[in-house]
This record gives sequence, C-alpha cells and structure tokens, in this order.
Amino acid sequence: DAGITQSPRHKVTETGTPVTLRCHQTENHRYMYWYRQDPGHGLRLIHYSYGVKDTDKGEVSDGYSVSRSKTEDFLLTLESATSSQTSVYFCAIRTRDREGYTFGSGTRLTVV
Amino acid sequence: KQEVTQIPAALSVPEGENLVLNCSFTDSAIYNLQWFRQDPGKGLTSLLLIQSSQREQTSGRLNASLDKSSGRSTLYIAASQPGDSATYLCAVDGKELFSGGYNKLIFGAGTRLAVHP
Repeated sequence: DAGITQSPRHKVTETGTPVTLRCHQTENHRYMYWYRQDPGHGLRLIHYSYGVKDTDKGEVSDGYSVSRSKTEDFLLTLESATSSQTSVYFCAIRTRDREGYTFGSGTRLTVV
Repeated sequence: KQEVTQIPAALSVPEGENLVLNCSFTDSAIYNLQWFRQDPGKGLTSLLLIQSSQREQTSGRLNASLDKSSGRSTLYIAASQPGDSATYLCAVDGKELFSGGYNKLIFGAGTRLAVHP
C-alpha cells in the first residue's frame, strides 16, 4: 500500500490566521492532490501537483496556495483562514494506471 | 468539463437485499473509474478500480461494471449486511485539455447506504 500521511489530523484556528497542512508520501509518486469535502458538495479538487515545483489549480482554489519542494511533500496553505474554509481536507496520490488513487486519512480544520 | 452523478443519493434497505448503485459521467474519455467507500468521519477506502478497457471488476460480494460509451457504471452489492452501511463514492480519472493534460479524479456526490437488520 502506498504510504500517505496527513498532518495535523485536527486543527482549530482563528479567522485571519495562516494555516499549513502537510501531506507526505513515501513512494515517490509524481501526482499529488488536495481535496476538500463538505456536506452537500462532495469532494472538490483544490490544487494538484504533477512534479516538484509543478502545481496547478483545481475547481476551488481561491484562498489556497500550495508548494511542492520535494517529491514526498505537498503543502496546502490557507494564507488567511476564513470560516468558509472550515472543512475536511484530504490529500491523495495517483499511484499507477492500474492502481488508481490512494487517499490520506484527512485533516479536520475548523476556523472560528 | 467532466461531471459525475450518482443515483440514488440515499438508500435504506433490509439486510440480505441485493443492491445496485448507479454512477454516470459526461465525458467518456476516462482512464479509470474507481469506487470508494467512506464511513462517517473517516477517510476513503478504495473498493474497486475499473480501467477504461475493462467492462467489470469483482471483489467478494461487490461487482462493478463500466460502459464507457454510455458514460455509466454500476456497483452491485450482493446479500447486503449492516456492515455495508456507508457512503459509496464513484470517481473518474481523466485528463481535461484546459488543465494541461494532467490526470484528475472527479467525484460524484455519493450514495449514502443504510442496511438495517
């Protein structure tokens, strides 16, 4: 199984503060993704990466930035957290064509 | 733009029934279709992956079919059990021209299944 870990698992932060979520993989897969999951909206793609320093926006990227300086780490940053960014955030990797995607356990973020 | 729809949104059945969950997608140019299970408050567990060249995949009591030309997939659950209660998510893996040709996984909203004893 592809090793993928997210940190922190839970976080409560105040409106206006910066927050960084980390996704770490152990198998050097090229593609990494950040999704958010909200009731009534399902899973929506925020940003994705197709290599070191190569990233692009997904469908709900406003208010988020990402960085990938090493193959194994993909960071998601909320520059100035808002209550609308309260959500569960999932990181995913695309392994191989025949294996599909593997997801991390998620980070539950609450912005108060 | 790829859109994925799952029907029904929710389903409640007695134990032992055979179930069919439906998934449809608008763009047939996909690489794979993947079914996931999600328990409340938990992450996503991959159940089955069907490559675009395949018609179906089976794992235990689960069988997933794919008709790429019509943009449809079904997940069949045989002899349902209370432990099958969860949300089932369908997702398609494809490339969109505007994204520079990189793979992305697009999800449906899910089917929430409750199996009661």
